[in-house]
Amino acid sequence: AQSVAQPEDQVNVAEGNPLTVKCTYSVSGNPYLFWYVQYPNRGLQFLLKYITGDNLVKGSYGFEAEFNKSQTSFHLKKPSALVSDSALYFCAVRDGNAGNMLTFGGGTRLMVKP
Amino acid sequence: NAGVTQTPKFRILKIGQSMTLQCTQDMNHNYMYWYRQDPGMGLKLIYYSVGAGITDKGEVPNGYNVSRSTTEDFPLRLELAAPSQTSVYFCASSYGGSRYNEQFFGPGTRLTVL
Repeated sequence: AQSVAQPEDQVNVAEGNPLTVKCTYSVSGNPYLFWYVQYPNRGLQFLLKYITGDNLVKGSYGFEAEFNKSQTSFHLKKPSALVSDSALYFCAVRDGNAGNMLTFGGGTRLMVKP
Repeated sequence: NAGVTQTPKFRILKIGQSMTLQCTQDMNHNYMYWYRQDPGMGLKLIYYSVGAGITDKGEVPNGYNVSRSTTEDFPLRLELAAPSQTSVYFCASSYGGSRYNEQFFGPGTRLTVL
């Protein structure tokens, strides 16, 4: 069965500092990995995805994520955090052998302080 | 282009009542999904549909029913509401049959069962 873990419930970072939100996954086939962001009282918005190819994926709002097959990780990063990046971030995985199901992690709350 | 719309935004039900959560998308996506999000948890898939007339169970289908008579609409039915169904419900859609494609989410329906 596919699964996703986001080990940190909350990440605190100062504005202008780099940020990392961690994600690890478990699948039996090839992983298709996604990051979504959720602002208060809103639905999830797509940030970026890894399907194949370069391990460093660039997405919306200056975010990027690094796929590491040996560590089964897909950490979300940004070189310089903004206060407006404060939100709830979800990592999700779809197993290449498991049809249409997308499995989400529990979410990580990012707090960027001025 | 409104994307994915959901009604109502909020609803309070009494135990045993029934209701239908509406979901409509105007992107001509053939895949549609219903998720629930419990506090501090990731999203769990309730049902999904790969096209009009075709639906399938997700991870947590018990207590819910769906139908897909058109490409645009994917209503979720709760027949006998229970307190365990208190949650935020998100509808999503995606394009085509590729499992690589990201999902687009509606703003959610916050349901409380008392």
